[in-house]
This record gives sequence, structure tokens and C-alpha cells, in this order.
Amino acid sequence: DVKVTQSSRYLVKRTGEKVFLECVQDMDHENMFWYRQDPGLGLRLIYFSYDVKMKEKGDIPEGYSVSREKKERFSLILESASTNQTSMYLCASSRPEVAETQYFGPGTRLLVL
Amino acid sequence: QKEVEQDPGPLSVPEGAIVSLNCTYSNSAFQYFMWYRQYSRKGPELLMYTYSSGNKEDGRFTAQVDKSSKYISLFIRDSQPSDSATYLCAMSVNDYKLSFGAGTTVTVRA
Repeated sequence: DVKVTQSSRYLVKRTGEKVFLECVQDMDHENMFWYRQDPGLGLRLIYFSYDVKMKEKGDIPEGYSVSREKKERFSLILESASTNQTSMYLCASSRPEVAETQYFGPGTRLLVL
Repeated sequence: QKEVEQDPGPLSVPEGAIVSLNCTYSNSAFQYFMWYRQYSRKGPELLMYTYSSGNKEDGRFTAQVDKSSKYISLFIRDSQPSDSATYLCAMSVNDYKLSFGAGTTVTVRA
């Protein structure tokens, strides 16, 4: 059974803190994604990685960075958390030949105070 | 205007009813159309995947794509309480970049 796991289900952080969100997939997928999900806005792509150490900006990369040192692991970093980054963060992975079929993790609900 | 529009609902139906969900879009280049289901406190999971226009059926689920009208639909027959979830439409031109609707929350009452 395919699996994408995220390091935390819930996180509470303070404004200005550096926040790390970790994602691991066990399907040997080349593609990995970070989205945020907000009511009324759907899922918006933050960053995409198509290989180790490779990344592309998505639609809303401002305030975020990513790291992919190993194929199975993709990290999202909030350098200095702000209250408008309070959201649900979803990680996903896919094979490049079927890039539209993405497998999602359970999500991390982040609250920035 | 959003690239993909989806009525957020909520939609409440009795068990056994047909659930009808739809999305409209503005980008005529979209070729791949997906429906994801998201249960509360879970990540989305792929439910249906369609390429170009036409219908696709999988058990109680039917996905329809009308590219001429830029309109896609998902029908759930004989709905069950276990179908209660948020349904997200998603579309793609031909790559990894998916454009999602906001999601429609459905409750099936026993």
C-alpha cells in the first residue's frame, strides 16, 4: 500500500520561528510536492521537486523554502513564520510518467500565533 | 476569476440519493481531469481520472467531461454515509501542475 507520511499532524508555533515540515514517501516516486489548503481557496502549490536537489517554485513560494537531499524525503521550511501562514499543509508524490496522479499525506495543520 | 470554479456547498442528501457535483474551468488547454475525495482530517485521495472528453464509470461513481462547455461532473449513485467527504476537482494541461477547485463538502444522512 502506497504511503506518504508527514512528521506532524498538528503544530503550534510563534511568529518569527523557523518551522520545518517533513514528508516521506515509500513509493520511490521522483516527484514530490508541497501544497497549502485554505477554506474557499482549494489546494495551492508551494513548491515542486522532480529529483533530488531539484526544485521549482509553485504558485505561492513566498516565505517558504524546500530541501530534498534524499529521494524519499521532501522538507518545507518556513524561515520566519507569520500568522498568514496558518494553514493545512499537504505533501504529495507522483511518478513523472503519470504526474497528474498524486498521492497525498494526511496533512499538517499549522497554527502560527 | 479563478481558473477552476467549484461550488463549496455544503450538500446534504439522504442515503440512497444521487449526488451530483460539478466544476467549471476557463483554461481550454486542460486535458486531464481528476476527482479527489478528502475525508475529515485526511489528505485527498484520487477517486476518478479522465483524459479529454467523455464519461468514465467506476462502480457507483461516474465522471463526465464536456470540454466544449468547460464543465466536468461527478455523480455518485446510491450514496452511502461513507461517501460523506469533501470532493475536489483537479485539472492539468499535461504535466505535474494541477489546478484544484475549492472542494464541495457532502454529507449523506443515514
